[in-house]
Amino acid sequence: GQNIDQPTEMTATEGAIVQINCTYQTSGFNGLFWYQQHAGEAPTFLSYNVLDGLEEKGRFSSFLSRSKGYSYLLLKELQMKDSASYLCAVMDSNYQLIWGAGTKLIIKP
Amino acid sequence: DAMVIQNPRYQVTQFGKPVTLSCSQTLNHNVMYWYQQKSSQAPKLLFHYYDKDFNNEADTPDNFQSRRPNTSFCFLDIRSPGLGDAAMYLCATSTGAGAYNEQFFGPGTRLTVL
Repeated sequence: GQNIDQPTEMTATEGAIVQINCTYQTSGFNGLFWYQQHAGEAPTFLSYNVLDGLEEKGRFSSFLSRSKGYSYLLLKELQMKDSASYLCAVMDSNYQLIWGAGTKLIIKP
Repeated sequence: DAMVIQNPRYQVTQFGKPVTLSCSQTLNHNVMYWYQQKSSQAPKLLFHYYDKDFNNEADTPDNFQSRRPNTSFCFLDIRSPGLGDAAMYLCATSTGAGAYNEQFFGPGTRLTVL
């Protein structure tokens, strides 16, 4: 079966750095997406990785290792507004998105 | 601004009473998706359309149906809602169905079943 694993919840301090990990086992691979979802709202796109390595976009970076079936999302200079769930999703060989359940990130002052 | 619009944002229905959720998009995207998301769970794909080509996920209950009368609109019909169908229903669109195609989500419709 296809599976996406990410921690259920993480806590971090305002101004700090946090890394949210995602491991996956899917039938084929056509890229990995990270989405941010605030409570009661729709997911919004953060990043897309299809090649190994680090993609940086402002305070957010995303890393991919296809050989390890592993990605992480790195958030720097955390702000209170970053409190949200972060969903990892992998596009499989049929171009279907397989979603993780999300990591709820709690930011404390 | 180009966007994905869902109406209503909140829908209350009674057990067994049919309900229709609507989605429209001004992005002119070819692909439209319907997801069901329950609290603290991953979004679950119910249907997707590539243009007018309808794709039903294998485990989508028969209680759910969908229509896409034109490029801009898509509807989700729940024929006989049960208590287990209470969830957030998300509509999303993408330019294409292949790699590199991020999905753009509407604000969702939260369905309550009494």
